[in-house]
Amino acid sequence: AQSVAQPEDQVKVAEGNPLTVKCTYSVSGNPYLFWYVQYPNRGLQFLLKYITGDNLVKGSYGFEAEFNKSQTSFHLKKPSALVSDSALYFCAVRDAGNTPLVFGKGTRLSVIA
Amino acid sequence: DGGITQSPKYLFRKEGQNVTLSCEQNLNHDAMYWYRQDPGQGLRLIYYSQIVNDFQKGDIAEGYSVSREKKESFPLTVTSAQKNPTAFYLCATKTEFNQPQHFGDGTRLSIL
Repeated sequence: AQSVAQPEDQVKVAEGNPLTVKCTYSVSGNPYLFWYVQYPNRGLQFLLKYITGDNLVKGSYGFEAEFNKSQTSFHLKKPSALVSDSALYFCAVRDAGNTPLVFGKGTRLSVIA
Repeated sequence: DGGITQSPKYLFRKEGQNVTLSCEQNLNHDAMYWYRQDPGQGLRLIYYSQIVNDFQKGDIAEGYSVSREKKESFPLTVTSAQKNPTAFYLCATKTEFNQPQHFGDGTRLSIL
């Protein structure tokens, strides 16, 4: 069975500094990896995905993520954080069998002005 | 998310009452999903449907029921058997194999 771990419940960074939100996964076979963002009382918004190809994936709002197969990680990154990036971030994984996504518990990002 | 409508936005349930949460989509997506979100627990899958007239249990299906009579609609009923229904419920849809799931804006269910 697949699983996702987001080891940090909360991440705080200063505006303008780079940010990283960590994610590790476990899945049989090749992983399909996703990052989503959630603002208060809203649904999840898709940021980016890794299916195959280049290990560095670029997504919406300047976010990117690096797939590392040997470390089974898919960390979310942004070179320069904005206050408006403050939100709840979810990593998700599924296997190649078109099964539903399995989500991590989420990491709350706070960007301080 | 554009194209996925969840209603109502807020819902209150009395003891012993069944309530139904609506999820309607106009994206023509085949697959639909229901998740439950509790603080600090992420999203947990309740039920999902990959085609009309067919659905599968997720990880926490007990106390819930669904139907998929139309492609556009996937209502979730929270029955009186669900003893702790207070949560934020999210509906999602997906089209082709490699595409991400799209989410509605959720329904927050509370107990009176």
